[in-house]
Amino acid sequence: EIVMTQSPATLSVSPGERATLSCRASQSVSSNLVWYQQRPGQAPRVLIYGSSTRATGIPVRFSGSGSGTEFTLTISSLQSEDFAVYYCQQYYDWPPYTFGQGTKLEIK
Amino acid sequence: EVQLVESGGGLVQPGGSLRLSCAASGFTFSNYWMAWVRLAPGRGLEWVANIKQDGSGKYYADSVKGRFTISRDNAKNSLYLQMSSLRVEDTAVYFCAREAYSSGWWGDWGQGTLVTVSS
Repeated sequence: EIVMTQSPATLSVSPGERATLSCRASQSVSSNLVWYQQRPGQAPRVLIYGSSTRATGIPVRFSGSGSGTEFTLTISSLQSEDFAVYYCQQYYDWPPYTFGQGTKLEIK
Repeated sequence: EVQLVESGGGLVQPGGSLRLSCAASGFTFSNYWMAWVRLAPGRGLEWVANIKQDGSGKYYADSVKGRFTISRDNAKNSLYLQMSSLRVEDTAVYFCAREAYSSGWWGDWGQGTLVTVSS
């Protein structure tokens, strides 16, 4: 099983600033990595798939990078609606599909 | 517009059973892999099970294997999760999700249904 590890667990950032979230895989997942956003009480929403491709309707301030075992989600200028929990997930080797434990992005 | 609507959650005692349903609309249901993913309190997202378009392939997380059964009825555009021998640690919001492009990630999700396992 591929273990996904996200850091930090909690990130405090001011609105308008940049946020950088990390995700590490225990073995290479190539570019088979997706990022989701989850707001309280809502369903997860896909942001980035294939490590760096923005999903339909996702603002350009969201960007993804990385391959192999190291991945990054960057939000260039935080808006109020961006404060949420973010999860990475690998789909390179399954079952099982595995998620990171999440990074909570909170207002500083 | 893709819509996925879960139902069937509730309070159940440890060892009990529950059947979740997911009604799909807005797309050709029989063309897509479908999955159940859960979010437990204080824990992250966990893939539970998924099923191939025609139901011929079914896969499960180790944590639910032998206790949960995923199924689908393409004539009714519906996905199901039969849960038995439920444990306290199965308490979670269960989401129905549509796999994008047979890719292994999920582009469309329902709003979820809460399952609480408690005595």
